[in-house]
Amino acid sequence: GAGVSQSPSNKVTEKGKDVELRCDPISGHTALYWYRQSLGQGLEFLIYFQGNSAPDKSGLPSDRFSAERTGGSVSTLTIQRTQQEDSAVYLCASSPWGRSTYEQYFGPGTRLTVT
Amino acid sequence: ELKVEQNPLFLSMQEGKNYTIYCNYSTTSDRLYWYRQDPGKSLESLFVLLSNGAVKQEGRLMASLDTKARLSTLHITAAVHDLSATYFCAVDRETSGSRLTFGEGTQLTVNP
Repeated sequence: GAGVSQSPSNKVTEKGKDVELRCDPISGHTALYWYRQSLGQGLEFLIYFQGNSAPDKSGLPSDRFSAERTGGSVSTLTIQRTQQEDSAVYLCASSPWGRSTYEQYFGPGTRLTVT
Repeated sequence: ELKVEQNPLFLSMQEGKNYTIYCNYSTTSDRLYWYRQDPGKSLESLFVLLSNGAVKQEGRLMASLDTKARLSTLHITAAVHDLSATYFCAVDRETSGSRLTFGEGTQLTVNP
C-alpha cells in the first residue's frame, strides 16, 4: 500500500519568509510524528500527534514552529520567519498506535534550505 | 533525559569481514529500533526489539538487545558493498508517546 508521503520534496526560501510542509500518513495510522535531521543536531523529535491532538510539542525549537493535523490524517508543519538555522530535512513518520510493535514508518522528507 | 550513543560513528570495512555496531542508551526504554538510511533517502526500518534477550536476523544483519546493560548490537556478517549506508538505533518510551530518541548514526562503508 501507499507509504507516508511528504511535500514538497525540496523547498528553498529566503530568510524571514514563512513555509508550510505537508505530511500524508499511511491510511489508518493514528499517530503522526515530525522529526528534523540536520548536520549539527542529528535526528531530533519535534512534535507528536495522536489523532488531531498534540500531546507532546516539547521538541519544537521555538514559537516560530507550529503544526496541526486535521481529520486525523494530513499534518502541516509551519515555520514562520525562517532563519538559516532552520535549514534541515524535515521527516514525518506515522504509526498504527495500539498495535504491538508501535513501529514508525518514515516519509521521504522535505529538504528545506533557507538562504 | 534519555540519551542514545552509538559507536563507532564511522566504520570502513572490507567485503567479507564481520563487524559490530554498538548502541547504548541511558534510561529504561520500551523498545529499541534499528534504521538504515541511504544518502539522500529516508529511514528504512530494519529491526524492532521488544524485550530483553531479543535477537532478530535479516540476511547479513543481526540485532540483539540486552535491557539490563541498556545495550543493543547490530552485527554484520560477511559484509557486502550493498550494506554501505548510515545505521541509526533509536529507543522509545510509551510514557512519552513513543517518540523516538536517536543515536548519532554509524556511517558504514564497505569496500570491495
